[in-house]
Amino acid sequence: DVVLTQTPVSLSVTLGDQASISCRSSQSLEYSDGYTYLEWYLQKPGQSPQLLIYEVSNRFSGVPDRFIGSGSGTDFTLKISRVEPEDLGVYYCFQATHDPFTFGSGTKLEIK
Amino acid sequence: QVQLQQSGAELAKPGTSVKLSCKASGYTFTSYYIYWVKQRPGQGLEWIGYIYPGNGGTYYSEKFKGKATFTADTSSSTAYMLLGSLTPEDSAYYFCARRGYLDWYFDFWGPGTMVTVSS
Repeated sequence: DVVLTQTPVSLSVTLGDQASISCRSSQSLEYSDGYTYLEWYLQKPGQSPQLLIYEVSNRFSGVPDRFIGSGSGTDFTLKISRVEPEDLGVYYCFQATHDPFTFGSGTKLEIK
Repeated sequence: QVQLQQSGAELAKPGTSVKLSCKASGYTFTSYYIYWVKQRPGQGLEWIGYIYPGNGGTYYSEKFKGKATFTADTSSSTAYMLLGSLTPEDSAYYFCARRGYLDWYFDFWGPGTMVTVSS
């Protein structure tokens, strides 16, 4: 199975600062069709996960442009510029390239 | 608007089964996959598998083969997951989520169902 390693495990950020989360895959996530099916989800406290980014860098409808996904192959990054209070929660990367699909272990974002 | 409504919390004894439901509305039920995801309290997300209501096709993560069984009732736009031979390790939240064939991501999630396995 593909292992997604997220770092850091937790992150404490001052409001207005930038946060960066890394997701490294044990295998390349580029599919045979040329697309890379790497997604980012945010799970706010007491809620279901919500989609932020799909196919590495595409923001889902309604997601602020403060959220920026990048990367290729096995290394991916989610950057959150100008962190706001509603950004707190646990961020998960997820790969849908290789069966079985897998989630990263999560990064908890806290506000200082 | 798209909604996934999940059944209420379950308290079950070890060795028994529970059947969770995920009722879809606001879209064509047979055109999207329904995935199931497990989350133990305070833990991360774990992918269980999916059902495609359009043809009833299913796929299970190896870990959940024999543990979970997916079905779907297209007349009521409801997906089900049967969890059998329950143990305390099955105590968790279970989420259903929609994934499109073309919109290849989880764009809508249910609120989750808490299953507690205890004697």
